[in-house]
Amino acid sequence: AQKVTQAQTEISVVEKEDVTLDCVYETRDTTYYLFWYKQPPSGELVFLIRRNSFDEQNEISGRYSWNFQKSTSSFNFTITASQVVDSAVYFCALSEGDNYGQNFVFGPGTRLSVLP
Amino acid sequence: DAGVTQSPTHLIKTRGQQVTLRCSPKSGHDTVSWYQQALGQGPQFIFQYYEEEERQRGNFPDRFSGHQFPNYSSELNVNALLLGDSALYLCASSWSEGAPGNTIYFGEGSWLTVV
Repeated sequence: AQKVTQAQTEISVVEKEDVTLDCVYETRDTTYYLFWYKQPPSGELVFLIRRNSFDEQNEISGRYSWNFQKSTSSFNFTITASQVVDSAVYFCALSEGDNYGQNFVFGPGTRLSVLP
Repeated sequence: DAGVTQSPTHLIKTRGQQVTLRCSPKSGHDTVSWYQQALGQGPQFIFQYYEEEERQRGNFPDRFSGHQFPNYSSELNVNALLLGDSALYLCASSWSEGAPGNTIYFGEGSWLTVV
């Protein structure tokens, strides 16, 4: 069965600090897809990144970076020089490779508060 | 380019009543999924519609049903509402071409309160 764990329920940092959000997943498939979404107070889940299981390259997009390690089944997300606008709930999600129904399994989320 | 739109944004219902939520997918998308997000939790998959049929279903009772129309828009119906159905209901759309693994895009959701 597929499962996503985000052990950090809430994190508070001061603006300009770096912060890493952890994500650990479980799946029996060799082909799968990992995602990060941001949920501001408005409720809409905003797509941040998609990574497939065959691509372990780390990715950087501006202040955001992602570290994918299959050996530890982790897909961690780092925000560099955090800003108040980064305050939101962040979800890690998993979709298995044979799943044409695209049933996403989400973690419980990490609430990030960036203080001025 | 309109994103995923949902209506209504907020509603309050009484236990035992029925509710219908509506969703229009992002332009160019043909697949619609529904998720339930209880307070403080991650979204839980309810079901997905493609070509006007339910393609996959999560662990939700038959009180939850849906429909997809020829223009790809979708409805979620919940009968015999329970207090525990209070949640944010999120619609997500995607394009079937290139699946699996396609990114899904979410609307802002419908906040349902059952009293």
